[in-house]
Amino acid sequence: KNQVEQSPQSLIILEGKNCTLQCNYTVSPFSNLRWYKQDTGRGPVSLTIMTFSENTKSNGRYTATLDADTKQSSLHITASQLSDSASYICVVSRNNNAGNMLTFGGGTRLMVKP
Amino acid sequence: GAGVSQTPSNKVTEKGKYVELRCDPISGHTALYWYRQSLGQGPEFLIYFQGTGAADDSGLPNDRFFAVRPEGSVSTLKIQRTERGDSAVYLCASSKQAGGANVLTFGAGSRLTVL
Repeated sequence: KNQVEQSPQSLIILEGKNCTLQCNYTVSPFSNLRWYKQDTGRGPVSLTIMTFSENTKSNGRYTATLDADTKQSSLHITASQLSDSASYICVVSRNNNAGNMLTFGGGTRLMVKP
Repeated sequence: GAGVSQTPSNKVTEKGKYVELRCDPISGHTALYWYRQSLGQGPEFLIYFQGTGAADDSGLPNDRFFAVRPEGSVSTLKIQRTERGDSAVYLCASSKQAGGANVLTFGAGSRLTVL
């Protein structure tokens, strides 16, 4: 069964600190992996997208890693800001990248406190 | 438009009623997707359109759910005889085309509460 598991489910950190969110998947065949940020009451917004051959991808203070052998990904947030408070969703795409081929994780709910 | 627009943003209805949720995708995006997101969960695929036709409706949970996109732009998700278990946020997304390196742009969602 195609599944995406994320950990932790929720996380509280102090402003300025770093954190790392984890994603494990069993989706096959694999096409790419995306991390989305979803603010409360809003739709998900894409942060990074990585294909099989990419190990790391950065977008500002966000850095995603991918280990296709172990089927694991992480999202590292550096120098967190209050605006980073959101849910972060890991999404794995199967072979043709269409939206019906996406498997979503349950998300990690991050809260950044001052 | 500049983004994906969904209306209503919130809908409260009684069990057994009929509900319509509207999605206005980004202009020129041929692919349109509907997802359902329960509290604390990731979105679950419902149906996707390529142009006017439903290319994949395998995610619709049962025949109470139906969606149309008659002119290849705006789409309406229709739910008949609503049940309390239908309560969720219904997200719409669009992309320039299905497949390839496209990125989906999501709307803010329609929160449906069935009492």
